[in-house]
Amino acid sequence: QVQLQESGPGLVKPSETLSLTCTVSGGSVSSGSYYWSWIRQPPGKGLEWIGYIYYSGSTNYNPSLKSRVTISVDTSKNQFSLKLSSVTAADTAVYYCARVPYCSSTSCPYGMDVWGQGTTVTVSS
Amino acid sequence: DIQMTQSPSSLSASVGDRVTITCRASQSISSYLNWYQQKPGKAPKLLIYAASSLQSGVPSRFSGSGSGTDFTLTISSLQPEDFATYYCQQSYSTPGTFGPGTKVDIK
Repeated sequence: QVQLQESGPGLVKPSETLSLTCTVSGGSVSSGSYYWSWIRQPPGKGLEWIGYIYYSGSTNYNPSLKSRVTISVDTSKNQFSLKLSSVTAADTAVYYCARVPYCSSTSCPYGMDVWGQGTTVTVSS
Repeated sequence: DIQMTQSPSSLSASVGDRVTITCRASQSISSYLNWYQQKPGKAPKLLIYAASSLQSGVPSRFSGSGSGTDFTLTISSLQPEDFATYYCQQSYSTPGTFGPGTKVDIK
């Protein structure tokens, strides 16, 4: 059974870069059957899709964050990572990693079927 | 971006009630609509994908319907473990936007 686990600093200073890692167990990030995604949820608010990566390194980002986001994959460690630069208090949120079954077109009839437990990141000096 | 709305934003119901939540997209998304359940302090859980397909392991009291811009999640007989917040999400185009959520609590 595939499990995902987020890790990284819980506190980041304004203007710095937020860095999180998602470790995949019970499965392989190199599987061509899935996209590997990041989603966030500010305190008391709804969900925001950040972006995803395919094992090949192909990425797709939310345009609202695209200038600040980098998602990468490390197949040797079976991990994928999120970097968000120039953070502000508005980036304070629970960050989740998740997987989505791969599809060959922009429109995908699949949802995010496995999620990590989430990690809280606070942006504060 | 495609905007997603949900109604109601919250509802109170009793165990055994039939509950219906509506999700509307700002443009046609065919059947590329997913439903998630989230309990406090937990990650969302996928219930329904492709508007009406039940995710493996999800009880059959959950069902989804709709296409185009209007979608519905129905819980046929509300159970104690179903009190949670429900989100719809479109997967027609990126970014995969979510609705604002519907909180279902105990009457």
